[in-house]
Amino acid sequence: GAGVSQSPRYKVAKRGQDVALRCDPISGHVSLFWYQQALGQGPEFLTYFQNEAQLDKSGLPSDRFFAERPEGSVSTLKIQRTQQEDSAVYLCASSLVGRENYGYTFGSGTRLTVV
Amino acid sequence: AQSVTQLDSQVPVFEEAPVELRCNYSSSVSVYLFWYVQYPNQGLQLLLKYLSGSTLVKGINGFEAEFNKSQTSFHLRKPSVHISDTAEYFCAVRPSNDYKLSFGAGTTVTVRA
Repeated sequence: GAGVSQSPRYKVAKRGQDVALRCDPISGHVSLFWYQQALGQGPEFLTYFQNEAQLDKSGLPSDRFFAERPEGSVSTLKIQRTQQEDSAVYLCASSLVGRENYGYTFGSGTRLTVV
Repeated sequence: AQSVTQLDSQVPVFEEAPVELRCNYSSSVSVYLFWYVQYPNQGLQLLLKYLSGSTLVKGINGFEAEFNKSQTSFHLRKPSVHISDTAEYFCAVRPSNDYKLSFGAGTTVTVRA
């Protein structure tokens, strides 16, 4: 596609519910990133994929967070047993290659509200 | 590790007036520097970036930024703002040998007529 597409745009989850957030990167982009943006804060790194390989998951806040990209294109961020502190905007970004491409293309994000 | 400090959380400005958004960073390695803009309910859009070379960088929508290595700063400026520049602005750094972007907390710019 022309840009990075994320769905759903908004998600309201009851505490304890599992959620799945989808990212469809720009076609052909090798690298894919997930960031978490809490209200009033800048985005914070969660995890990084190069093709289907998850090379870095150091930013995932707990083992309730899980990300996958099985075929090297679409990625899903799953949050199990959601907590109120998980409320945030989850941003996906992609780039053609990794460190060489300097600037990433971000999607519009999924706003998750846990009630 | 890297850190980014945006010195102003909110900047109100009148239309056609100049604006400067301040950004300081710290890093033990060389970095690339970025400014992103986020309009309400949208993702981040790259305004400009500094990789190397000239310390004055020009970006989209009439914005420019100046890299000052000795002061570890990367301030963003626009000589004359429009109502449409109302948005959140984020300064970000990325180590030259890594892929992770580190963002500041953001500066909200509100342009009034």
